[in-house]
Amino acid sequence: DQQVKQNSPSLSVQEGRISILNCDYTNSMFDYFLWYKKYPAEGPTFLISISSIKDKNEDGRFTVFLNKSAKHLSLHIVPSQPGDSAVYFCAASVGGNTPLVFGKGTRLSVIA
Amino acid sequence: ETGVTQSPTHLIKTRGQQVTLRCSSQSGHNTVSWYQQALGQGPQFIFQYYREEENGRGNFPPRFSGLQFPNYSSELNVNALELDDSALYLCASSLAGGLNNEQFFGPGTRLTVL
Repeated sequence: DQQVKQNSPSLSVQEGRISILNCDYTNSMFDYFLWYKKYPAEGPTFLISISSIKDKNEDGRFTVFLNKSAKHLSLHIVPSQPGDSAVYFCAASVGGNTPLVFGKGTRLSVIA
Repeated sequence: ETGVTQSPTHLIKTRGQQVTLRCSSQSGHNTVSWYQQALGQGPQFIFQYYREEENGRGNFPPRFSGLQFPNYSSELNVNALELDDSALYLCASSLAGGLNNEQFFGPGTRLTVL
């Protein structure tokens, strides 16, 4: 039973446009959500996070939105750059210092 | 600030053998978590160590075991290797008691079981 789902395996976006990556979860106990970016032959790199007490968190070109009632979060990248091409993982946890539950990832390709 | 390091980078073993993977946590971090990432999947939680004690375990059999040392580095041991153990093994370090649950990952060890 997958508790964190990323239903789009891949996404292609033109350079300069907005990239929107989506993530759904089923466990209502999740209270902290994170996005990681992964390049080939590297470990996941932390990108941005959001606590369940917020509905939006922004960091430069990256914004994460959380809709608790829909159990849905999204990552917006504006403007998209070719260097953003990577696999993006959504992860969730219950409380601090607890295991992260990951989705299967979405491969983003930003085309110049 | 030193990031998370893992060794070896790649490893090839045969079925039935045993393997030990190593991880050095990020400076200042006291918790280490291990994840297995199979091809096309997201990382799956194996177990976590905090203050040299196992602090949670995922759905992995007992032949997956670990250790954490006083300097917070860690080992993952897998006995009686099976073909399905072929995967990328990721170590992540974090600071218990922090306000968030950000875990910082190493580059991983690619294990191939033949």
